[in-house]
Amino acid sequence: DGGITQSPKYLFRKEGQNVTLSCEQNLNHDAMYWYRQDPGQGLRLIYYSQIVNDFQKGDIAEGYSVSREKKESFPLTVTSAQKNPTAFYLCASIRQGSNQPQHFGDGTRLSIL
Amino acid sequence: DAKTTQPTSMDCAEGRAANLPCNHSTISGNEYVYWYRQIHSQGPQYIIHGLKNNETNEMASLIITEDRKSSTLILPHATLRDTAVYYCIVRVANTNAGKSTFGDGTTLTVKP
Repeated sequence: DGGITQSPKYLFRKEGQNVTLSCEQNLNHDAMYWYRQDPGQGLRLIYYSQIVNDFQKGDIAEGYSVSREKKESFPLTVTSAQKNPTAFYLCASIRQGSNQPQHFGDGTRLSIL
Repeated sequence: DAKTTQPTSMDCAEGRAANLPCNHSTISGNEYVYWYRQIHSQGPQYIIHGLKNNETNEMASLIITEDRKSSTLILPHATLRDTAVYYCIVRVANTNAGKSTFGDGTTLTVKP
C-alpha cells in the first residue's frame, strides 16, 4: 500500500546536537510538508516543498532546515539553533493540481535528553 | 488560504449524531473545505471534503451553507472511537499546493 513513512517514531536529542527526521512517500506526490505540534495545540507549518530542489519556509522555520533532492524524500533537520525542539513532528504530502486531501505520516516524537 | 474558526471542545453521547461546526467567512470561490481528525499521537486522518455541494461518505456527511461561509461535519452515530481532535481547513485545489494551515481544531469527546 502507498503511504508516508516517518522514522524514527521516537528520537532523543542532546544539547547542541543536530538531528534529522526522515520522511519518505511512495504516493508519487509532488508537494511535501513538515508540521510541528505541541501538546494540546494544532499543527504549525515549518517548511514545505512543491517540487524537487525547491522549498519554502512556513510559519516557524527558524532553527530547522530541509532538503528535497528526491521526489520521494523530504528530511527535516532540527538544528541546535532550535532551543525548544521537544514536540511531535508530522510529515504530509499531496498531489499537485488536484483537490485530493493531504496524506500524513504517523509522526516522530522528539525529546531533549 | 482562508482562516477557519472552530469551537475548542464538544461532547456527544454515544450513538447520537455529532455535529461539528466550522466558520470560514473569508472563503474564496475556488477553496475547498476539508475535514481531518487526529487521535492522540497519530497523524491526522482525512474524513471528507467539498466545494459547495453537501457530501457524504462512509465516515461522515459534510453540509456547506449556501453562502459557503460555514460548514458542519456530521458523524451520524458517534462511537467512543470517534473521540479525537477534528480539524477543518480550507484550501485552493486544482492548482499548485501551497501553504496548508491547520488551526487548533475541536476536541470531540464521545461519552458512554
